[in-house]
Amino acid sequence: GESVGLHLPTLSVQEGDNSIINCAYSNSASDYFIWYKQESGKGPQFIIDIRSNMDKRQGQRVTVLLNKTVKHLSLQIAATQPGDSAVYFCAENVDNFNKFYFGSGTKLNVKP
Amino acid sequence: GAGVSQTPSNKVTEKGKYVELRCDPISGHTALYWYRQSLGQGPEFLIYFQGTGAADDSGLPNDRFFAVRPEGSVSTLKIQRTERGDSAVYLCASSPSSRATGELFFGEGSRLTVL
Repeated sequence: GESVGLHLPTLSVQEGDNSIINCAYSNSASDYFIWYKQESGKGPQFIIDIRSNMDKRQGQRVTVLLNKTVKHLSLQIAATQPGDSAVYFCAENVDNFNKFYFGSGTKLNVKP
Repeated sequence: GAGVSQTPSNKVTEKGKYVELRCDPISGHTALYWYRQSLGQGPEFLIYFQGTGAADDSGLPNDRFFAVRPEGSVSTLKIQRTERGDSAVYLCASSPSSRATGELFFGEGSRLTVL
């Protein structure tokens, strides 16, 4: 199988600060990546995606950076809010959206 | 309903029993996925349906696991002779057939506990 992400680390940030969540992937053939947010007791929720022909993509308060050279992906959250507290997963795809490999996630704690 | 619906939300069973987990996808979504999530881990792919057929079942761990989607809408994941290691949250997701992104719309999952 594929190897995406790190064993669940925890990131604690102060409300209003910026957060950076990192993810490493192993398959150089992966051509599409998604970040998901999962709150306790809920299913993962799409945040932002990026294709391998891009190195940066911005959304509302979020930015995803892709470094294909070192097979690294990051999610930046600006002005982190308590509602951002959740587990964040990166997922990679190599088969036209049919199968995604998820990392083990990063838990984000936002302190008020 | 507006989202993916999964039932039951919680299921406790004894080792060796048979279990069925149901997924009702978003109306009109032709693609349906089952994932399994163990505590502290990311979702693990099990099977993918496009319409009624299983397009990729390479993630099913063994022949005790089986999934169907007879009419191209509701899907049932079936687990025979359950083992303690099957305890996990089983997530279902759906997506439209033609899409610009790979976004999957997940349900809240069915938590299975095998005693």
